[in-house]
Amino acid sequence: DGGITQSPKYLFRKEGQNVTLSCEQNLNHDAMYWYRQDPGQGLRLIYYSQIVNDFQKGDIAEGYSVSREKKESFPLTVTSAQKNPTAFYLCASSIIGAVTEAFFGQGTRLTVV
Amino acid sequence: EDQVTQSPEALRLQEGESSSLNCSYTVSGLRGLFWYRQDPGKGPEFLFTLYSAGEEKEKERLKATLTKKESFLHITAPKPEDSATYLCAVQETGNTPLVFGKGTRLSVIA
Repeated sequence: DGGITQSPKYLFRKEGQNVTLSCEQNLNHDAMYWYRQDPGQGLRLIYYSQIVNDFQKGDIAEGYSVSREKKESFPLTVTSAQKNPTAFYLCASSIIGAVTEAFFGQGTRLTVV
Repeated sequence: EDQVTQSPEALRLQEGESSSLNCSYTVSGLRGLFWYRQDPGKGPEFLFTLYSAGEEKEKERLKATLTKKESFLHITAPKPEDSATYLCAVQETGNTPLVFGKGTRLSVIA
């Protein structure tokens, strides 16, 4: 089945640790995105990438980093510089060059302990 | 200023009680407006894309409409399984990412 796979589903981070969230897609989409969702908030864009080895900051990129070494993969690292990392993280992908929906993974819930 | 505003924040309906959710937007060059459904703890699931004012799309009990400034998601005779958060998103001109509203949390009571 084609789709987007995020792992892990739940992640716990200690203060001061970096953690990496995985996102893999087999839809052959060029564009991939990371959004953060907090209770009562919509989805806020962290980073996005439209081509391998290139990515752009979104509205809330501080404290996060990404890489795009392969078309299928777009991992997100939550660094110790992110002061309030507890949230629900969503990865998405889409084709570019056409007005079309983004497809989402099932999310990773990150909690700081 | 938010580019996408959804109202109400939460809506509680009796089963069979029809209603509408609103999504207003301020982007100048709208390429598409998207509606998603999100269940608790899950990723958003795509429902509709609307491209131009006057366009309408339907799926089961849901009907989405679009004007030059807002979109409505009409829910006819809802059932408890329609309970979810409904998200609206817009895409401006160019290959820009979707910009989301904060969503409307719908509860349908049997």
